Amino acid sequence: GQQLNQSPQSMFIQEGEDVSMNCTSSSIFNTWLWYKQDPGEGPVLLIALYKAGELTSNGRLTAQFGITRKDSFLNISASIPSDVGIYFCAGQPSGGGADGLTFGKGTHLIIQP
Amino acid sequence: DGGITQSPKYLFRKEGQNVTLSCEQNLNHDAMYWYRQDPGQGLRLIYYSQIVNDFQKGDIAEGYSVSREKKESFPLTVTSAQKNPTAFYLCASSIYRDTENIQYFGAGTRLSVL
Repeated sequence: GQQLNQSPQSMFIQEGEDVSMNCTSSSIFNTWLWYKQDPGEGPVLLIALYKAGELTSNGRLTAQFGITRKDSFLNISASIPSDVGIYFCAGQPSGGGADGLTFGKGTHLIIQP
Repeated sequence: DGGITQSPKYLFRKEGQNVTLSCEQNLNHDAMYWYRQDPGQGLRLIYYSQIVNDFQKGDIAEGYSVSREKKESFPLTVTSAQKNPTAFYLCASSIYRDTENIQYFGAGTRLSVL
């Protein structure tokens, strides 16, 4: 089946630093999504991307749909303590997929005061 | 409020017991999904349903069963055949389209074995 490679697996940063994470796929995706999961909760959608090259912002978050349609990145600027959590990328493969999205394994963001 | 409700938040299972996790949505979504999440792991698909009275196995369906008798409900039963049921279970729903498939998640149920 489809696989997404999400990196880094974890990040230890200082408050105020910028963060960057990415996902790559071996095949083309129609849609890229970025979710955040707080401890003990379900993932919440942050940003949705639908077109190759699309760059979308949501407050301090910026995400881009790669030109090749095989990758996406998420940047967080000026990190704050509430940014702590697990960030997942997810994609809808080209040609559809009855079983829905393919998920990356997540990036654990830990912020040191 | 519209959304997805999972219950209970915490559930304990005894040896040999079947337990059922509830998932209800009032978003009028056609598709619903169950995922299992283990520590340090991503989301693994257990079962999914695109329409009432129809459902399909995901990647790790063994030891689980589901039903989809109503559009808004998709309960998951963890059977005694599932030997390692301790995990965080997430339910999601979406308006399924080929080019747009945003899934919205419930708050999860944490299942532990006594």
